[in-house]
Amino acid sequence: KNQVEQSPQSLIILEGKNCTLQCNYTVSPFSNLRWYKQDTGRGPVSLTIMTFSENTKSNGRYTATLDADTKQSSLHITASQLSDSASYICVVSDLAGTASKLTFGTGTRLQVTL
Amino acid sequence: AAGVIQSPRHLIKEKRETATLKCYPIPRHDTVYWYQQGPGQDPQFLISFYEKMQSDKGSIPDRFSAQQFSDYHSELNMSSLELGDSALYFCASSVQGLNTEAFFGQGTRLTVV
Repeated sequence: KNQVEQSPQSLIILEGKNCTLQCNYTVSPFSNLRWYKQDTGRGPVSLTIMTFSENTKSNGRYTATLDADTKQSSLHITASQLSDSASYICVVSDLAGTASKLTFGTGTRLQVTL
Repeated sequence: AAGVIQSPRHLIKEKRETATLKCYPIPRHDTVYWYQQGPGQDPQFLISFYEKMQSDKGSIPDRFSAQQFSDYHSELNMSSLELGDSALYFCASSVQGLNTEAFFGQGTRLTVV
């Protein structure tokens, strides 16, 4: 069964600090991995999408890495801001070209405080 | 840039009533997906449409139906509502193709009382 596991479940950091969120997956065949940011009660917003051949991808203060051999991904947030407080969801697709084969992780709840 | 529009944003219904949720995809997106997210749960795929035809089916109850219209907007019809149907319903749209991005709407929060 395809699974996506994220750690930690929750994280509290001070504003301005960096943090790294982890994602391990057992999805086969692997097509792509996406990181989404979801504010409470809102729709997920895409941060990055990475395919098998990509090792790292940046989007502003967000940098995602992918190790397809170990089936691990990380999302690094630099110089955190209060607005970064949200759930970060790792989502893996096992079929290219469709979002109906997505396996969602349970997310990491990040809280950035003063 | 235009995003995925869902309406209504909030909906309160009583048990056994019906509800219709609407989704307007990003212009030129030909694929629409519906997800259900219960409290504290990850989104569960319900159903998807490509070019107005059902393309995939997930854990959609028989009480629910959906369709995609000629203008590519989609509607999720929910009948005989149950308390357990209370959830956030997301619509996402994309262009069909290799590793294309799926963009999510803001969701419709359905509360069944």
